Amino acid sequence: EAGVAQSPRYKIIEKRQSVAFWCNPISGHATLYWYQQILGQGPKLLIQFQNNGVVDDSQLPKDRFSAERLKGVDSTLKIQPAKLEDSAVYLCASSRPPGLLGTGELFFGEGSRLTVL
Amino acid sequence: QKEVEQNSGPLSVPEGAIASLNCTYSDRGSQSFFWYRQYSGKSPELIMSIYSNGDKEDGRFTAQLNKASQYVSLLIRDSQPSDSATYLCAVALSGGYQKVTFGTGTKLQVIP
Repeated sequence: EAGVAQSPRYKIIEKRQSVAFWCNPISGHATLYWYQQILGQGPKLLIQFQNNGVVDDSQLPKDRFSAERLKGVDSTLKIQPAKLEDSAVYLCASSRPPGLLGTGELFFGEGSRLTVL
Repeated sequence: QKEVEQNSGPLSVPEGAIASLNCTYSDRGSQSFFWYRQYSGKSPELIMSIYSNGDKEDGRFTAQLNKASQYVSLLIRDSQPSDSATYLCAVALSGGYQKVTFGTGTKLQVIP
């Protein structure tokens, strides 16, 4: 079974520039999560999709961050304009559909490390 | 009050000892509980999940859950240097979807 794919692995940008991250979840996983992990902290949920609908984006800074999940599969997270405090690892994770055994058990991609200068 | 709280450590134990990692959570509606291991520079990986009160054992790992006390723990027996990592406690609410909230993690150092 192929894992969660993310790209790019690393990105360095100047503040006020834009950046986009891509994620392809495990096949059949209906739930997709984007987390932000700042060095020394635990992952913080930015947005959660169920198929192609948003179920939680309460911690997403909507003035600069946006995310979409086309056709309930791939997802893109965009930051525009970036700030210095956005420097972090952006983790994509997926899990089985609700109601199935193991729902809530997350499988993470390798992450996308963003440095904002 | 943080939703999921962990001592950040570092927790240092000698090789072969038992490492005990603790976590408390604030929402009594939480139904699913997880422990993830994260090596430096890597992504979290799931090592244990527990859904009901009591103990769950898997090899050298034992997860313990006490919902009345809102407390989850992870015991690692016969600790090895390869167990040195940050251990993240995660909690999910029940309901139509599973919002998974993480603690800040406890850094474990196993001393050879």
